[in-house]
Amino acid sequence: NAGVTQTPKFQVLKTGQSMTLQCAQDMNHEYMSWYRQDPGMGLRLIHYSVGAGITDQGEVPNGYNVSRSTTEDFPLRLLSAAPSQTSVYFCASRQLGEQFFGPGTRLTVL
Amino acid sequence: QQQVKQSPQSLIVQKGGISIINCAYENTAFDYFPWYQQFPGKGPALLIAIRPDVSEKKEGRFTISFNKSAKQFSLHIMDSQPGDSATYFCAASSNTNAGKSTFGDGTTLTVKP
Repeated sequence: NAGVTQTPKFQVLKTGQSMTLQCAQDMNHEYMSWYRQDPGMGLRLIHYSVGAGITDQGEVPNGYNVSRSTTEDFPLRLLSAAPSQTSVYFCASRQLGEQFFGPGTRLTVL
Repeated sequence: QQQVKQSPQSLIVQKGGISIINCAYENTAFDYFPWYQQFPGKGPALLIAIRPDVSEKKEGRFTISFNKSAKQFSLHIMDSQPGDSATYFCAASSNTNAGKSTFGDGTTLTVKP
């Protein structure tokens, strides 16, 4: 089992560029989510999905889109990157309350 | 409005000492309280978790104490070791809210040899 995988590990964007952060899990978990982690602010929920075809907004959804076409994959799209989106992004899947986090993507927006 | 408040923000403990991190929550619908441990450059990983039907749960050197009436729970690390140096997050979730987790802001623990 690879668990939760994320790509890329690091990314630098210019303001206004778009990109997709990839997330995949091989544990057949229905629930997946995206968080951003900023210093001193813990983990904030961006979007989540309770199953293929079902997504919903979290605490800080503005500027991000998600889709869930399969159980395994849950990509996060930045539509027009802004410096305020500089952060570390974690994807997670969940089973019975326990969340399994990926290794993260460190994103810098210049 | 922050639903889970964690303290302290940072903690320095001598090797062999006891590390204590506290969390307070507001939403009485929360029914699952995990603690996550995160090492630099890694994603958080579940350390230990408790449900509100028990007041304490122990796994090795790690213990969660839960006070339902005060809406507080804490993590105790006995015989703290330098390898325990990490950031610790408390969290709370409720099945009535799609199981979404609310996290505390984190505590950076440093255990000095």
